Amino acid sequence: EIVMTQSPATLSVSPGERATLSCRASQSVSSQLAWYQQKPGQAPRLLIYGASTRATGIPARFSGSGSGTEFTLTISSLQSEDFAVYYCQQYNNWPPSSFGQGTKLEIK
Amino acid sequence: EVQLVQSGAEVKKPGESLKISCKGSGYSFTSYWIGWVRQMPGKGLEWMGIIYPGDSDTRYSPSLEGQVTISADKSISTAYLQWSSLKASDTAMYYCARHLHSGYAYDTFHIWGQGTMVTVSS
Repeated sequence: EIVMTQSPATLSVSPGERATLSCRASQSVSSQLAWYQQKPGQAPRLLIYGASTRATGIPARFSGSGSGTEFTLTISSLQSEDFAVYYCQQYNNWPPSSFGQGTKLEIK
Repeated sequence: EVQLVQSGAEVKKPGESLKISCKGSGYSFTSYWIGWVRQMPGKGLEWMGIIYPGDSDTRYSPSLEGQVTISADKSISTAYLQWSSLKASDTAMYYCARHLHSGYAYDTFHIWGQGTMVTVSS
């Protein structure tokens, strides 16, 4: 099973600033990496797939990069609605597909 | 509108059986893989397994195989997750989710249901 490790566990950033979230895979997942946003009481929402492709309707301030084992989600200018928990997921090798443990993005 | 609508919250006792559902609409139900994701209280997301309703090809997480059963009834565009004997540790929110691309097995989850909360307590 591929283990996905996200860092940091919690990230405190001020509105308008840039946030950078990391995700590392225990072995290569090529570019089969997705990012999700989850707000309290809601289902996750797909942000990025294929490591760098924004899903339909996702604002351009969200961008993804990386391949192999190292991936990054960048939010260029944080809006109030962006404070949430973010998960990465690899779908290159399954079963099981695996999620990271999440990064909580909180207001500084 | 493409959507997945899940059945309502359940409260069960240990040892009881349960089957929760996920009804797809607005797309070709038989053409997309549907998966189930568990989220225990205050915890992260866990991939449980997926099914291709077109031919009922089903794959499970090794850690959960034998603990749950995933099925689908394509005549009513509905996927299911069931337990034969619940445990307190099954208490969680369960989401169904559809893959992004038609027919793609190695894919990510695009459309999500609203979740079904299952509480198992004596």
